[in-house]
Amino acid sequence: GAVVSQHPSRVICKSGTSVKIECRSLDFQATTMFWYRQFPKQSLMLMATSNEGSKATYEQGVEKDKFLINHASLTLSTLTVTSAHPEDSSFYICSASLAGVPYEQYFGPGTRLTVT
Amino acid sequence: AQSVAQPEDQVNVAEGNPLTVKCTYSVSGNPYLFWYVQYPNRGLQFLLKYITGDNLVKGSYGFEAEFNKSQTSFHLKKPSALVSDSALYFCAVRDLTGGGNKLTFGTGTQLKVEL
Repeated sequence: GAVVSQHPSRVICKSGTSVKIECRSLDFQATTMFWYRQFPKQSLMLMATSNEGSKATYEQGVEKDKFLINHASLTLSTLTVTSAHPEDSSFYICSASLAGVPYEQYFGPGTRLTVT
Repeated sequence: AQSVAQPEDQVNVAEGNPLTVKCTYSVSGNPYLFWYVQYPNRGLQFLLKYITGDNLVKGSYGFEAEFNKSQTSFHLKKPSALVSDSALYFCAVRDLTGGGNKLTFGTGTQLKVEL
């Protein structure tokens, strides 16, 4: 149980375009989802926390207008990288937590974004 | 703020030997501690957690960790390493800063198990 999927697993886009990454909890309802960014051989950096039906809470230094997060249902959150640039190239990982067990996060497999 | 430190960027061990990956923490209040493993180009897989109870926590794939309050440590251990254990390991602590339920990760330790 507690499986989280991400789509796509890899995406290449041109500079200036936008790209959407989906995060789904497959077998449970996720009241909270988290979006992380990971640079090569580095730790995970939390970008934002989203609760279903409300606006995401962004970490300091993360541009909310550039990284749009929507958590429209208890099983789906999306991250849209708007007007992507090469420096946005990274590995993006989402996670989800169950209602009542907020400290346990289940991670998706990640999405490799390359902006050319 | 809560934090965890992983003092070793890389740990090398021979297959069959015991392994230890170190983690120390700094928290206010009771610590909720976690270990995750990451294989190349993959998400994180949960190994084990300490919330309360026995200081020795057993987890997936034969891993265990010992919670030591006096030393503020939560080292990951395995009695006999396998080549397939080679991966990136992260220690994490629950972070309630700002009212949220976040995880703060250490910088990661690359484990390399050699024949």
